[in-house]
Amino acid sequence: GAVVSQHPSWVICKSGTSVKIECRSLDFQATTMFWYRQFPKQSLMLMATSNEGSKATYEQGVEKDKFLINHASLTLSTLTVTSAHPEDSSFYICSASGLQELNTEAFFGQGTRLTVV
Amino acid sequence: GQQLNQSPQSMFIQEGEDVSMNCTSSSIFNTWLWYKQDPGEGPVLLIALYKAGELTSNGRLTAQFGITRKDSFLNISASIPSDVGIYFCAGQVNFGNEKLTFGTGTRLTIIP
Repeated sequence: GAVVSQHPSWVICKSGTSVKIECRSLDFQATTMFWYRQFPKQSLMLMATSNEGSKATYEQGVEKDKFLINHASLTLSTLTVTSAHPEDSSFYICSASGLQELNTEAFFGQGTRLTVV
Repeated sequence: GQQLNQSPQSMFIQEGEDVSMNCTSSSIFNTWLWYKQDPGEGPVLLIALYKAGELTSNGRLTAQFGITRKDSFLNISASIPSDVGIYFCAGQVNFGNEKLTFGTGTRLTIIP
């Protein structure tokens, strides 16, 4: 399957600081990228959908000013957690879907474990 | 957000046993996907289903897309230690770059 790389794999930051997570599609052009959050022993919850070159679409209850998403190219999307607080500690996972010619399945990054202290 | 109902929530089996889990929804999905997630990793796609009634195999794994388009099941035959992990179903309403709705997950543990 296609390769999606997420960086960093883990990060610890102080409360009040901002953290940027990168998601890259390494061998295909990702027209759409998705950002999920996963709390321990829970399922993946979609935070937002981003299409290259346009504003992200956020799911209900997700603060767009707190979770800034940028999808400036067909191979890179970034999620910035602004003014992070301990309750933002979670496992953040991105996925990417390619052009219509590819199958519909999304390919996932390896995830980023964020710990806010 | 919406989640698909997945059962069982957890399974404890012995190596060599067969496993069956299912996923149900109150609404229709036109694509069903099954993923496996290891601790600290992102989900990895196991099987993708695109047509109602479709039965697809991938090695020891077999999955079916329910005829009503509101359910799917995954079977694993002759389980081995590396099958341990969390299995998620996911549904997609339309073909293409559409968002996925995930199931609640089934945690598989193999007893020595």
